[in-house]
Amino acid sequence: GENVEQHPSTLSVQEGDSAVIKCTYSDSASNYFPWYKQELGKRPQLIIDIRSNVGEKKDQRIAVTLNKTAKHFSLHITETQPEDSAVYFCAASIGGGSYIPTFGRGTSLIVHP
Amino acid sequence: DGGITQSPKYLFRKEGQNVTLSCEQNLNHDAMYWYRQDPGQGLRLIYYSQIVNDFQKGDIAEGYSVSREKKESFPLTVTSAQKNPTAFYLCASSTQGATEAFFGQGTRLTVV
Repeated sequence: GENVEQHPSTLSVQEGDSAVIKCTYSDSASNYFPWYKQELGKRPQLIIDIRSNVGEKKDQRIAVTLNKTAKHFSLHITETQPEDSAVYFCAASIGGGSYIPTFGRGTSLIVHP
Repeated sequence: DGGITQSPKYLFRKEGQNVTLSCEQNLNHDAMYWYRQDPGQGLRLIYYSQIVNDFQKGDIAEGYSVSREKKESFPLTVTSAQKNPTAFYLCASSTQGATEAFFGQGTRLTVV
């Protein structure tokens, strides 16, 4: 099955700095890579996703990059704000008609005012 | 908070008792999943179902059971065989194919 590694486990930044979270996956058949944000006590929610036919995707202050050859993808958050503080999960899923997301262990992002 | 609902939010049980966690969705999603969340462990897949009356074991199925008698419902039973059942349990659903998973608000189970 798929295995997803996520780093770092904790990331502490000052407000306004950029934050980068990196994930690697093991199965080259994976073709969908979502990122979820989980605020304290709440459910994970999708913030951005990328498919294997795209190398980069942006949505305002967040962006995701994908390197299929190296089998890694990253989340970039620019101009961080205190409300960005949360746990972020990357995931990978193998296509072909099924969607079984395999998640990384999560990154706790702390943005200091 | 519509779409996928888990109940209850908090659940306390005595050791040795089976307990069932509810998950209902009105999104007309075919696929449903159960994940267990422990600190530092991320989201680990317990069971999943892609169609009514069919389900598959995930990575940590031992000590758990599920049923999928209706498209809308995917209850999870934590049995007495689960050695460390205290955890946060998340249910999710999605359409078929590589799409977003929608999560319920979770059930925090404490076994004493």
